Amino acid sequence: DQQVKQNSPSLSVQEGRISILNCDYTNSMFDYFLWYKKYPAEGPTFLISISSIKDKNEDGRFTVFLNKSAKHLSLHIVPSQPGDSAVYFCAASEAGGTSYGKLTFGQGTILTVHP
Amino acid sequence: DADVTQTPRNRITKTGKRIMLECSQTKGHDRMYWYRQDPGLGLRLIYYSFDVKDINKGEISDGYSVSRQAQAKFSLSLESAIPNQTALYFCATSPRGDTQYFGPGTRLTVL
Repeated sequence: DQQVKQNSPSLSVQEGRISILNCDYTNSMFDYFLWYKKYPAEGPTFLISISSIKDKNEDGRFTVFLNKSAKHLSLHIVPSQPGDSAVYFCAASEAGGTSYGKLTFGQGTILTVHP
Repeated sequence: DADVTQTPRNRITKTGKRIMLECSQTKGHDRMYWYRQDPGLGLRLIYYSFDVKDINKGEISDGYSVSRQAQAKFSLSLESAIPNQTALYFCATSPRGDTQYFGPGTRLTVL
């Protein structure tokens, strides 16, 4: 059972426009959420995170929004640049218990930003 | 130099062979993890270790074993490789928190 889902396998956006990547989760014990970016032939790199006590976190062009009641988070990239073309993974973790420190990942979304 | 290194970067092997993938880190983190990535499935946790004396199974540990030789080294072994273990394998490290830092990956092909 996939506890973290990224239902869009791919997204294509024009340079300068907004990219919105979505992620849904089913486990109500998740309280910390992260986005990773992955280029071909490289490992995933940490991009931005958000705690469940917040509903928004911003870092430069990247903003993550969390809607706990809907169990949904999204990553906004504004403005999108060709160098943002990569696979984006959503991940989540629980606060305590046996799952503390373990991340559950979504399937990934391939973002392509066209010049 | 990279903080998290994995060797080899690419490996082709045959069914039934024993394979070891190695991970080393210079970040000084206590926690280390092994994941595999398959198309359409994201990253799935194989094993993790919170310190040298602590080894835990992840969601897909069958067919794999690990060894934490030191704080900086965490190896993944496939005792008898099978074709459905063909995948990208990533090692990751973490300080006492949730953010994990990944190595460059090993592409393993089992024929």
